[in-house]
Amino acid sequence: ETGVTQSPTHLIKTRGQQVTLRCSSQSGHNTVSWYQQALGQGPQFIFQYYREEENGRGNFPPRFSGLQFPNYSSELNVNALELDDSALYLCASSAGLAGGGTDTQYFGPGTRLTVL
Amino acid sequence: AQRVTQPEKLLSVFKGAPVELKCNYSYSGSPELFWYVQYSRQRLQLLLRHISRESIKGFTADLNKGETSFHLKKPFAQEEDSAMYYCALSGSNYQLIWGAGTKLIIKP
Repeated sequence: ETGVTQSPTHLIKTRGQQVTLRCSSQSGHNTVSWYQQALGQGPQFIFQYYREEENGRGNFPPRFSGLQFPNYSSELNVNALELDDSALYLCASSAGLAGGGTDTQYFGPGTRLTVL
Repeated sequence: AQRVTQPEKLLSVFKGAPVELKCNYSYSGSPELFWYVQYSRQRLQLLLRHISRESIKGFTADLNKGETSFHLKKPFAQEEDSAMYYCALSGSNYQLIWGAGTKLIIKP
């Protein structure tokens, strides 16, 4: 069984640029959730995708967008980067049996984004 | 408002001593609560969820709706319990709402 993978591991961008982060879900999982974790904070829910559709969204502006592909891998896109977007971005996959946060989520190692 | 509060950023106890990691929540509905753990250089993983009422690695947590708490307890701490612990609440809109985490250090 392959766990959740994320790429890249680290990324440095400048203000105003755009970034795409990638996540491969665990085998057999159809749901992917994305989180932003600032230093010293708990993860903040960005959104969730279930079978290629956005299934819930946290309090993030529209410049945070995502996609889920037929193989259930996912992308997080952030446009017009701001300094405050610097954080660890976590992806988690789940089996989508009960729905939403109720399912056990399996996390990737994260992508560390630095915005200069 | 839906919120999870972990009042201690850092908790340090001696090996063999009891451990209690505090978690308080604010939620208008019927909550489902979780504890996640992150060991050094590892990824976040589920430790336990209140609905299953399991004991994992000697840890237990009881949901107290009157006090809106879900404290994590272990009677005898072990050095391998040193980690970052997060309490989380399954809220509306399919999201998990997280506390800021407590770093647990077990001293030998």
